[in-house]
Parts: sequence; structure tokens; C-alpha cells
Amino acid sequence: DSGVTQTPKHLITATGQRVTLRCSPRSGDLSVYWYQQSLDQGLQFLIQYYNGEERAKGNILERFSAQQFPDLHSELNLSSLELGDSALYFCASSVALAGGTDTQYFGPGTRLTVL
Amino acid sequence: AQTVTQSQPEMSVQEAETVTLSCTYDTSESNYYLFWYKQPPSRQMILVIRQEAYKQQNATENRFSVNFQKAAKSFSLKISDSQLGDTAMYFCAFTHMDSNYQLIWGAGTKLIIKP
Repeated sequence: DSGVTQTPKHLITATGQRVTLRCSPRSGDLSVYWYQQSLDQGLQFLIQYYNGEERAKGNILERFSAQQFPDLHSELNLSSLELGDSALYFCASSVALAGGTDTQYFGPGTRLTVL
Repeated sequence: AQTVTQSQPEMSVQEAETVTLSCTYDTSESNYYLFWYKQPPSRQMILVIRQEAYKQQNATENRFSVNFQKAAKSFSLKISDSQLGDTAMYFCAFTHMDSNYQLIWGAGTKLIIKP
């Protein structure tokens, strides 16, 4: 158990709908990262938050947005869903101290299926 | 731009054998970190081992060790006394401070341990 929690584990929805994925980082970790993993592919970095502020953006679609709340949990919002958005969505957290070694620990993922 | 290459899409070995997974990377950074993550059929992303580029000594975690060749930009993973539970996708990943510790991933190697 990495200490990172994600809910829900599975999500099945229809095209055009909107969903929210939730992540709670490990205790003490300030940084949260979101990744997308499509079937049999590697991970694509979506976005990073550090202590409530957006720090880095990757290949995140405009239909997707995220935020990190004062208690450091994060939510990833996916809207106007398309079939191609079906994937495993991972959240990872790290301490992310400037100048220090940093390791990301991953949650169990949320499997999103868009029908 | 930084890239990570895993040239072996799939490997299989007998239980108890030793196997080496290859990873090469390209970067102009001098201070960076390298990781191997394991993704078993459960799809959980599990940290296997980490290497700081400034350390000359190769990292070791029980049966897992790396061969880090900084000049050659090579970071291979050796699994000794392989076990059935080692069956998984193995991803090599790279990060550095100036990228806000964003992980850059290889495509993965599917490792099958045969009984």
C-alpha cells in the first residue's frame, strides 16, 4: 500500500458526460500528479499541483481540469467524455522539496470506461 | 527534450533465473533521477528501485539491482532469482528538478516468469 488513495476504483459512464476523480496524497506529500494510461500503453503526464497551485501541465485536454484543495486532496474533472477517454487514471504524490530527491508514489488508479 | 527508451517489448525467463531489462535515456541535465516501476496484472504502479545520477554506486533492493552507466546513459534492471510474482510490465522513468519532477516514461517491457 503506497498510502495514496483514489476513488472511485471503477467508473462507467456515457459519452458526453462529466466525471470527477478524487485523490488523497500520502501524509506529508505536497505534490500531486495525474497520469493517464490507455490500454497497453505507457503513462502520459497530465498535470501537477504543488501545495494548492498548478505547477506543470502535460498533455491535458481542454475538456479536462484539476485542482488541489487546502487539505491537499486533488480532483480531476473530465467533461464531454469521448470513447477515447477510456483509460486508467493514476494519481501520484511526492514531497517535491526543491533541490531534494523526489519519488512519486502511485495510487491504485481509477479505471474509466466511456460507453 | 528528454526521452526514455526500452528496447525490449517482451521477455520471458524461467523461475529462479536472472533477467536484465534494458533502458537508455537522453538528457543534457547533470542532476537527475532514474526509476524502475513495476505494474503487475492488478495494474497498480509499484516503485521497484531508484537511482540518483550523482551517486556512482548502483542501487540495490533485495533481488533487484541496477547497472547505471552515466556516460552511456544506460540504466538496466537486473532481477535475480526471479519469482512468479515478478511477472509484470516494467517501466523505466526519468525526472529532474528543473522539470518539476515530472516523470518521463519508457514504453515498458512485459516480463513473464515461467514456472
